[in-house]
Amino acid sequence: EPEVTQTPSHQVTQMGQEVILRCVPISNHLYFYWYRQILGQKVEFLVSFYNNEISEKSEIFDDQFSVERPDGSNFTLKIRSTKLEDSAMYFCASSRGNQPQHFGDGTRLSIL
Amino acid sequence: SQQGEEDPQALSIQEGENATMNCSYKTSINNLQWYRQNSGRGLVHLILIRSNEREKHSGRLRVTLDTSKKSSSLLITASRAADTASYFCATVPVGSGGSNYKLTFGKGTLLTVNP
Repeated sequence: EPEVTQTPSHQVTQMGQEVILRCVPISNHLYFYWYRQILGQKVEFLVSFYNNEISEKSEIFDDQFSVERPDGSNFTLKIRSTKLEDSAMYFCASSRGNQPQHFGDGTRLSIL
Repeated sequence: SQQGEEDPQALSIQEGENATMNCSYKTSINNLQWYRQNSGRGLVHLILIRSNEREKHSGRLRVTLDTSKKSSSLLITASRAADTASYFCATVPVGSGGSNYKLTFGKGTLLTVNP
């Protein structure tokens, strides 16, 4: 069964540095999402992306965050200047619309 | 207010027993989904139930939806040690469509099935 893949599995970065989290969604999916989960807390929506543009973003998704689908297969999340509170698991998901979302195994981001 | 609140927060049972987890939500929904998360892993979709459905089954899983009470339950029958995981409900709000079907998750129930 096709899977959503995310890289890297763990990223350690100094505060203030830029990070790029990468995702390869399922190939025939059209809707793409990023969520995050701070340790011990619930999964929170960050952003949805459809037809090459952001369709909705949460309050968490401020000017430091951006998403891109550069080549028709990858879907990236960039954090421009990381803060300590950005430490979390970041999950990418994709779907075919009003159908179940398929999640990757996540990237654990640790900001020092 | 929280959309999607599960209870109990933690549930410990013996293998072979049934496990029931409940979810309540506050706003009207298009559909409600249940996901499982093993420790340190991503979320795995279990069942999607639409707002006009009342019950769905998948193997040992049974989900009910009561839109008048804004609640759902997930029943796992004849549990196994491998069912040990966190279980989350997630809702897609009514009016979703076209370009966005974002999920709003609850805090989850940690299920431990003891062998």
